Amino acid sequence: AQSVTQPDIHITVSEGASLELRCNYSYGATPYLFWYVQSPGQGLQLLLKYFSGDTLVQGIKGFEAEFKRSQSSFNLRKPSVHWSDAAEYFCAVELNYGGSQGNLIFGKGTKLSVKP
Amino acid sequence: EAGVAQSPRYKIIEKRQSVAFWCNPISGHATLYWYQQILGQGPKLLIQFQNNGVVDDSQLPKDRFSAERLKGVDSTLKIQPAKLEDSAVYLCASGASTSGRNTGELFFGEGSRLTVL
Repeated sequence: AQSVTQPDIHITVSEGASLELRCNYSYGATPYLFWYVQSPGQGLQLLLKYFSGDTLVQGIKGFEAEFKRSQSSFNLRKPSVHWSDAAEYFCAVELNYGGSQGNLIFGKGTKLSVKP
Repeated sequence: EAGVAQSPRYKIIEKRQSVAFWCNPISGHATLYWYQQILGQGPKLLIQFQNNGVVDDSQLPKDRFSAERLKGVDSTLKIQPAKLEDSAVYLCASGASTSGRNTGELFFGEGSRLTVL
């Protein structure tokens, strides 16, 4: 069955430090992968997506992610974290069969705290 | 461009009561989704609409949950009767089709937080 694992429930980094959030997926076909961010009391916002092609994808707010098929991973990175990046981050894989295009399976999320 | 609108933002009810949530997607988006997000977990799909037809409701607890999208625009999700385990945030999302294909690039509303006592 398709699944997404985010091993880290909570991560704390200092402002200005680099960040890497881990995501592993289980999916039988070529995956479509996403990272979404959720600020407190808000809906989810798309950060970036991978469909095909270049395995390093750029997103909004200075985030990037790298798809590694051999490791079934899609880790999110940012070189220098800002206090406003504190939020919860969700990795997702899209189901793509029949008419169920666009359906997402989400991981449980990683909460990011930023120390001043 | 207006985003996805949801109401109410918060609702507290007793178990066995009923509740309804409303969603108005982004104008022109054919696909509408309802997700359930329980505290500490990622969102889980309940139902997907394409225009006013149901595409996927395999994870919708149909004995108590129902949803409709009349006229292919706004949508209502109803729970009757509610159980304690239905306490969650109910997120509505909409998506556009690209080259005739739906994608996972979804736009989410702020959600409706339900507390069942």
